[in-house]
Formats: sequence, structure tokens, C-alpha cells
Amino acid sequence: SVLLYQKPNRDICQSGTSLKIQCVADSQVVSMFWYQQFQEQSLMLMATANEGSEATYESGFTKDKFPISRPNLTFSTLTVNNARPGDSSIYFCSSRGTDYEQYFGPGTRLTVL
Amino acid sequence: QQKVQQSPESLSVPEGGMASLNCTSSDRNFQYFWWYRQHSGEGPKALMSIFSDGDKKEGRFTAHLNKASLHVSLHIRDSQPSDSALYFCAVGGNNNAPRFGAGTKLTVKP
Repeated sequence: SVLLYQKPNRDICQSGTSLKIQCVADSQVVSMFWYQQFQEQSLMLMATANEGSEATYESGFTKDKFPISRPNLTFSTLTVNNARPGDSSIYFCSSRGTDYEQYFGPGTRLTVL
Repeated sequence: QQKVQQSPESLSVPEGGMASLNCTSSDRNFQYFWWYRQHSGEGPKALMSIFSDGDKKEGRFTAHLNKASLHVSLHIRDSQPSDSALYFCAVGGNNNAPRFGAGTKLTVKP
């Protein structure tokens, strides 16, 4: 299995500011994924991040708005640029283990005022 | 992005009853199916995965997969109030991230 840790657990920021969300895995993983979830709705895949290459973004998510770094096999950072109230949601990092199971971090709850 | 359809949207069953949830994928590239449960304020927790046709049973939970129709179901027997949560079906391929359905809200009434 893979344990994923996220920091911060929650954050409140002002519109127009940027914030970073960190994800750390307890073992090396090939791919890390980032999801966005609005209250009691589905998890939407934002992007896939592999070490040493640019993240691949899904439709509706851009590198300028949500830059993602993946400097090594246990770490990834999601940045939310120019945050808006519409970005208020929960952000999860996720990764697949060698057992083909998909694991999720506890989430970062973001509120943009 | 939504290639995974779940039904029903919400479901209420009495304590001790059977809950049945359904999920259909529209993409034949996706061969792996997962069921997740999410309690309010928490991240999604894996319930079970199913990758082969047929049934897979884990305790009170049974998943059934029909790859030909890309349909998977989850049955919860002897439902407990603690089973009340959002249930998500997720579907993925070999090397790509799972896509989630919209979820089924299950309420188990004591």
C-alpha cells in the first residue's frame, strides 16, 4: 500500500493570492494524480504528474492556473494561482500502488474569500 | 471527463437491509474498477477493486463486474448506520488515473 500525506490540511486565502499544497508519499511512486472535489460532488481529475516531466492536464485545468511540480518519486506540489472563490474545494493527491490499488491523501480543504 | 455513470443518485435502506449500487463505464479502454466510500469530512477510502468478470466478496460487500457491458455493481448486505456515506465508482486503465462517477449517497436508517 501507499500512504500519502498532504500539507496543509486546510487553508483560507484572499482572492488573487497563490497557495501551495504539498503531497508526500511514504514510498516511491511512478505517477501522482491531483483531484478536485466540490462539496459532496464527484472527484475530478486535474492532472497527472510524473518525475522529470511536465504534468499532463485534463480539460478545464491549465498549467498557468494550477502549476504542478514533481521533483522526485515521493513528492509533488500543486499551486493554485490567482485564487478565486470558485476554487474553494478539496484537493486530493493520489497514487497507484504496485498492487494496482489507488490511494488518496486526506485532502486539503481550500476556502478562498 | 465524466465517462462513468452511477445510479441511483441517492438510496435509503433500513438497518440490516441490502443496498445495491450500480455503475457503468462508456470507455472500453478502462478495465479496472474500484469502489470508494467517503464519509463527510474525510478523503475517499477504497472499499474494493474488481478487475475480472464475476463476483468479488469482502465481508458484507460484494461487487459484480460484467466487462462485456462495462457494468459493475456493489451490494452491501446487513447495512449498518455507519455505512451511510457517499459511494463512488471509479474506472481506469493500465497507466492512467481513475475517473470517478458522480456518486451515490447512501443513508441507512436505524
